[in-house]
Amino acid sequence: QVQLVESGGGVVQPGRSLRLTCAASGFSLVKYAMHWVRQAPGKGLEWVACGGTNTLYADSVKGRFTLSRDNSKNTLYLQMNSLRVDDTAVYYCVRDGDDSTGYGFDQWGQGTLVTVSS
Amino acid sequence: DVVMTQSPLSLPVTLGQPASISCRSSQSLVHGDGNTYLNWFQQRPGQSPRRLFYKVSYRDSGVPDRFSGSGSGTDFTLKISRVEAEDVGVYYCMQGTNWPPWTFGQGTKVEIK
Repeated sequence: QVQLVESGGGVVQPGRSLRLTCAASGFSLVKYAMHWVRQAPGKGLEWVACGGTNTLYADSVKGRFTLSRDNSKNTLYLQMNSLRVDDTAVYYCVRDGDDSTGYGFDQWGQGTLVTVSS
Repeated sequence: DVVMTQSPLSLPVTLGQPASISCRSSQSLVHGDGNTYLNWFQQRPGQSPRRLFYKVSYRDSGVPDRFSGSGSGTDFTLKISRVEAEDVGVYYCMQGTNWPPWTFGQGTKVEIK
């Protein structure tokens, strides 16, 4: 079955870097646009980045975060540089559905917590 | 950016009673292809979000039919005909018509009275 497993979260100081990984199984990453969505503690959902035909970023992370994928490993990455305290959140890897599964964020990982603190 | 506004933000409901959540967008969500890309998600306590509906009213597999999605243009509604204990959580609407960015509503917390 479809599964998205995130890893790489942890505690990091402001200004440092972290790389998140999303391992996909049950489908081919190549065939879908993929997103990262984050949720600050006790807050709502915020779209962060999308990788599909093009790579797109929220203004709040543009220039600091980079989304990439390794199709041979069926894995998505989010390289996060110059981290700030307000980047603290659970980061979800999310699949964007297609015509057969319904467009929209149809599959979510369990999330990985990133804490930026001195 | 499209702003999504949900109401109410908190919804205490008696078991077995109906519940309704409103979601309004700052601009029409009708895409040039004629579809309206409005999704609803449920996030139970301690869990990841789960999609309930796509394109306004298309119910995802496994979603009980006591849930329904409706609306058009800029006004959308999620209804639960009879609330059950397992429905407790936060519900979000999200637009996928005018992107980037993809934008979510603030969330509506459904709890049992």
